[in-house]
Amino acid sequence: DAGVIQSPRHEVTEMGQEVTLRCKPISGHNSLFWYRQTMMRGLELLIYFNNNVPIDDSGMPEDRFSAKMPNASFSTLKIQPSEPRDSAVYFCASSPDLAYNNEQFFGPGTRLTVL
Amino acid sequence: AQSVSQHNHHVILSEAASLELGCNYSYGGTVNLFWYVQYPGQHLQLLLKYFSGDPLVKGIKGFEAEFIKSKFSFNLRKPSVQWSDTAEYFCAVNAILTGGGNKLTFGTGTQLKVEL
Repeated sequence: DAGVIQSPRHEVTEMGQEVTLRCKPISGHNSLFWYRQTMMRGLELLIYFNNNVPIDDSGMPEDRFSAKMPNASFSTLKIQPSEPRDSAVYFCASSPDLAYNNEQFFGPGTRLTVL
Repeated sequence: AQSVSQHNHHVILSEAASLELGCNYSYGGTVNLFWYVQYPGQHLQLLLKYFSGDPLVKGIKGFEAEFIKSKFSFNLRKPSVQWSDTAEYFCAVNAILTGGGNKLTFGTGTQLKVEL
């Protein structure tokens, strides 16, 4: 299995531009999570899906952030417009389902720099 | 809401030294506990996890952790660290919510540097 796949691995953009991050979960996993990692705030859960349906988006910082999961094998996290404070590493993770004893499998992350 | 505290933000050890990283959580209900490791430039990987049973859990690469319910702690240990253990370590707690569902909360991480 290829594991969780994220693209791009690095993204540098200018303030005000739209940024789209992509994630492909492990095949057969029904739950998908988006996290943001910064030095100041550590690892924060932004949103998670179960069976393609958003379950909890309370971690999404602002309306500029949106996430979709159109099918079981693909999700996007979009920032529009982007700001320098959005610079962070964004991780996607998946797990078989939302059972509480399930390990989450993380992707390699997308390092976003907003100038 | 549950929270996780990792007291040591940066730890520097010499090779062969013993390691203990602290993790405390606040939640009165049922929890599952995890330690993840993030090697430089890589993604988070699971080191070990506790669900039930023996509170002393053994994971990969010689790591172990002990769940002490009365202290709300899940400290990570390794008797003798290696240079290759240089990484950031995250404690995480998955709490069963009273309204149903569960939520995984991560600590802020401990950066471990092992010197030769």
